[in-house]
Amino acid sequence: NAGVTQTPKFQVLKTGQSMTLQCAQDMNHEYMSWYRQDPGMGLRLIHYSVGAGITDQGEVPNGYNVSRSTTEDFPLRLLSAAPSQTSVYFCASSYSIADTQYFGPGTRLTVL
Amino acid sequence: RKEVEQDPGPFNVPEGATVAFNCTYSNSASQSFFWYRQDCRKEPKLLMSVYSSGNEDGRFTAQLNRASQYISLLIRDSKLSDSATYLCVAANDYKLSFGAGTTVTVRA
Repeated sequence: NAGVTQTPKFQVLKTGQSMTLQCAQDMNHEYMSWYRQDPGMGLRLIHYSVGAGITDQGEVPNGYNVSRSTTEDFPLRLLSAAPSQTSVYFCASSYSIADTQYFGPGTRLTVL
Repeated sequence: RKEVEQDPGPFNVPEGATVAFNCTYSNSASQSFFWYRQDCRKEPKLLMSVYSSGNEDGRFTAQLNRASQYISLLIRDSKLSDSATYLCVAANDYKLSFGAGTTVTVRA
């Protein structure tokens, strides 16, 4: 049982490049979400999904896209990277919003 | 204004001491509340849920005051291993709002 996995762990991009952060869970959780964490800001919700085929925007969705074609996977796409997207990105999953959120180990992204 | 506000600390306490801190939330429609613990550069992990009647989990006690919209966490008999950042979380609809965290450092 791997829990929540995220790849890559570290990534350096140049401004304007695109990339996909991968997130997968093997707990059959319906609810999945992406957060970014910046110093002094706490975790901010980017996008979330309540089940396969359903996604919605969080607090800071601009510059990011998501899709949920399966229960297990919830990739986050950066369309055109900007230095303001330098952050630590966490994916989380749970049975519902009121249940324990299980976080992946995070992806540390630097945009130059 | 952030939906969840916390005193960032740091709270520096000796082993065995009691430390307590609060957070406030602005959305009165928030339905569920939690404390998460985050160690340096690691992912957050659930410490405990917070119930309306207050609840304990070993040395940790959480309280919820809906009228004043604040949540508290008290740690008794602090251990070195309690050194971490504690994140206050409020849930409403399908979204979680995290506070920026309160840093606790327990010294020998």
